[in-house]
Amino acid sequence: AQSVSQHNHHVILSEAASLELGCNYSYGGTVNLFWYVQYPGQHLQLLLKYFSGDPLVKGIKGFEAEFIKSKFSFNLRKPSVQWSDTAEYFCAVNEGDSSYKLIFGSGTRLLVRP
Amino acid sequence: SAVISQKPSRDICQRGTSLTIQCQVDSQVTMMFWYRQQPGQSLTLIATANQGSEATYESGFVIDKFPISRPNLTFSTLTVSNMSPEDSSIYLCSVDSVSGELFFGEGSRLTVL
Repeated sequence: AQSVSQHNHHVILSEAASLELGCNYSYGGTVNLFWYVQYPGQHLQLLLKYFSGDPLVKGIKGFEAEFIKSKFSFNLRKPSVQWSDTAEYFCAVNEGDSSYKLIFGSGTRLLVRP
Repeated sequence: SAVISQKPSRDICQRGTSLTIQCQVDSQVTMMFWYRQQPGQSLTLIATANQGSEATYESGFVIDKFPISRPNLTFSTLTVSNMSPEDSSIYLCSVDSVSGELFFGEGSRLTVL
């Protein structure tokens, strides 16, 4: 079965530090990739997604992610985090056109200290 | 985008009782999904609810425990039956979109004593 791994469960950074959150998936076929964010007390929101094309995708709030097919990875990055980026981040994958089901990673809790 | 409202937002229930969670969407959608997020864990798909047909359950989830209704294209309910403390979770309703994105409700936080 397909699985998604997020290696960092908790990350603590100071403001202006750079961020990279790892995400690896196990499916070998065509995939669609997503990063969702959940701010404290709010619902899940889409940060960015990759379906095809340029493997470097840009999302909202200065986030970007790079799809590296050979590494089965879709890491999330931001060059300079802000206190307001404190949230939980979820990587998710579905099997391209064959499945609408999203498989989620375990999530990474990011705390940004002012 | 879709706006999804869930009720209740949270509840505390006694063991052995049942709770029905409602999900209302502000537009007509084909597919609605119910996810569970157990404490400290990721989101797990419980079932897919399509209007006019039986819900499709994922491995490990059964209709007797999690009956689902989907009476129209904007509404669905999930019932957690005969609850135990292990059912304490956040239950989330989500809908798909033409862009392939899933939109989520704010979730219903259930605590079973």
